[in-house]
Amino acid sequence: ETGVTQTPRHLVMGMTNKKSLKCEQHLGHNAMYWYKQSAKKPLELMFVYNFKEQTENNSVPSRFSPECPNSSHLFLHLHTLQPEDSALYLCASSPAPGANEQFFGPGTRLTVL
Amino acid sequence: AQTVTQSQPEMSVQEAETVTLSCTYDTSENNYYLFWYKQPPSRQMILVIRQEAYKQQNATENRFSVNFQKAAKSFSLKISDSQLGDTAMYFCALNAGNNRKLIWGLGTSLAVNP
Repeated sequence: ETGVTQTPRHLVMGMTNKKSLKCEQHLGHNAMYWYKQSAKKPLELMFVYNFKEQTENNSVPSRFSPECPNSSHLFLHLHTLQPEDSALYLCASSPAPGANEQFFGPGTRLTVL
Repeated sequence: AQTVTQSQPEMSVQEAETVTLSCTYDTSENNYYLFWYKQPPSRQMILVIRQEAYKQQNATENRFSVNFQKAAKSFSLKISDSQLGDTAMYFCALNAGNNRKLIWGLGTSLAVNP
């Protein structure tokens, strides 16, 4: 266990559904990240939060909406997704943005039908 | 542009033997960090080993060691006495530049066979 938890672990949704992914870290870190992991591609950084403020949005489509109510929790709200959004979504945290090591959650396997 | 290349999509090794995973990278920065992360089939990515570019000595963590060749921009991972639990995807990553984003390789899938 890395101290970062994610729920749900698996999610199947239709293109018209609205769902949310949740991430929680118990490490006292100030920075949190969302990554998308697809087969045959490098990990794609989606969003970075530092002290609840978004510091990076890597040109992510608006159908992905992040929310960071506090330094320990991070959400990814999903709506009107496309089948190509099916992937493993990983949450990570670190003491500060750009800090050397990131701690990852187990991921949410998302399938969009 | 910063890049990380892992040229071995898949590798296998017999239990108790030694295997080396390769990684090359490119950056114009002088100060940077390199990492090997492991992602077992259960999917939780964990840090295996870290190397600071300014340190000449190769990092070592128990059975895991790196061969860091700064001039050649090479950062290979050696796993000694391979164990079944070492079966995983291994990712090489670079942390450099002002924004300090992690740049990832495509990964190497390692299978340790009994």
